[in-house]
Amino acid sequence: QSAPTQPASVSGSPGQSITISCTGTINDVGGYNFVSWYQQHPGKAPKLMIYDVTDRPSGVSNRFSGSKSGNTASLTISGLQAEDEADYYCSSYTIRSTWVFGGGTKLTVL
Amino acid sequence: QVQLQESGPGLVKPSDTLSLTCAVSGYSIRSSDYWGWIRQPPGKGLEWIGNIYFSGTTYYNPSLKSRVTLSVDTSKNQFSLNLSSVTAVDTAVYFCARKGPGLFYFDYWGQGALVTVSS
Repeated sequence: QSAPTQPASVSGSPGQSITISCTGTINDVGGYNFVSWYQQHPGKAPKLMIYDVTDRPSGVSNRFSGSKSGNTASLTISGLQAEDEADYYCSSYTIRSTWVFGGGTKLTVL
Repeated sequence: QVQLQESGPGLVKPSDTLSLTCAVSGYSIRSSDYWGWIRQPPGKGLEWIGNIYFSGTTYYNPSLKSRVTLSVDTSKNQFSLNLSSVTAVDTAVYFCARKGPGLFYFDYWGQGALVTVSS
């Protein structure tokens, strides 16, 4: 199974909005509304930020939102804050009843 | 509060078997849908290894399937990973995680355990 494609890095200034894309195939991202997004700070475990494409777990800021169009899912962070600087990974359920993670995107807050 | 904790040797020799255990507390392992393992080589991204249901049903990453065995011990409320014939490319932080009942994401994660493959 191939990993969904994410940009290696994105950046933005405090207060701005950024979007991270996650492009898969009809066999994963495009075929199911089971895309999730994880935030990972250095040396820490991943933290769930978005699940089922658009839903936010309790406690996650509403500055984080998700969407999907075709085989591409997106994570948008609005009102960027310094604490948002981290690595972000998308993940999707697949047609083979397996899971796949995207390659990851490093977010830099300028 | 659900907590997961990985444990096992931090150093494994090439060609040996890597073995890790994930102890679950604050939640019965029988209550969840699946329990998973995910790894992350140093400086690289996350890779899903596989999931196991408390009854023993498993799903594996096709690229690792020939070398991976997952097992569960409900009496100890823990599950385990065995990865055989390891090489340096298997050096990684190994995370265990819970996939909640009927859910399609990992909501609770362990802190991770670094395993280095080296002679």
